[in-house]
Amino acid sequence: RKEVEQDPGPFNVPEGATVAFNCTYSNSASQSFFWYRQDCRKEPKLLMSVYSSGNEDGRFTAQLNRASQYISLLIRDSKLSDSATYLCVVNSGGYQKVTFGTGTKLQVIP
Amino acid sequence: DAMVIQNPRYQVTQFGKPVTLSCSQTLNHNVMYWYQQKSSQAPKLLFHYYDKDFNNEADTPDNFQSRRPNTSFCFLDIRSPGLGDAAMYLCATSRVSTGVDEQFFGPGTRLTVL
Repeated sequence: RKEVEQDPGPFNVPEGATVAFNCTYSNSASQSFFWYRQDCRKEPKLLMSVYSSGNEDGRFTAQLNRASQYISLLIRDSKLSDSATYLCVVNSGGYQKVTFGTGTKLQVIP
Repeated sequence: DAMVIQNPRYQVTQFGKPVTLSCSQTLNHNVMYWYQQKSSQAPKLLFHYYDKDFNNEADTPDNFQSRRPNTSFCFLDIRSPGLGDAAMYLCATSRVSTGVDEQFFGPGTRLTVL
């Protein structure tokens, strides 16, 4: 089993739609979780950290389910500019080390 | 006001010809990372430095070496590039804290091996 698994997509959604991505992780000792965004041929950039109680940043909501070992990202009112690959990132043991998922590709269609 | 700078952005080398990629940062972060990312794949950690403390991943080939002469600079040396080493190489930094912090990435160096 991979350390971090994501549905690669692509998810093709119309503007204004709500879309959700899930990510599962295998290391039950993981403590830190993140969503990064990566545009085509660009570097990853932090979208948001994921806290135990769940957190929201504008149209984006992240949730953590420790019992089932998954995190989720919900995007409401999708914009064309949300088109990107969303990478799930989990700390993988060892100080400051993380493991990236392969990413879920989102395409928002006019 | 770039924070993590990578040079060159594009590098073409010949099979077996050594190549060095460079990374510099203005963030004064203690931790620096090198990742390899191939098309449609996750960034794969090659090694990281915590200050001068070098941490190699178990599955990083011996062909890949790194140097960090000071806080600001880090280099990736590929001693004998093979066709399978063609990829985007990403440098990242993070600050030291009690947990795992955000990583700041440079724009990457895209390596082509002929």
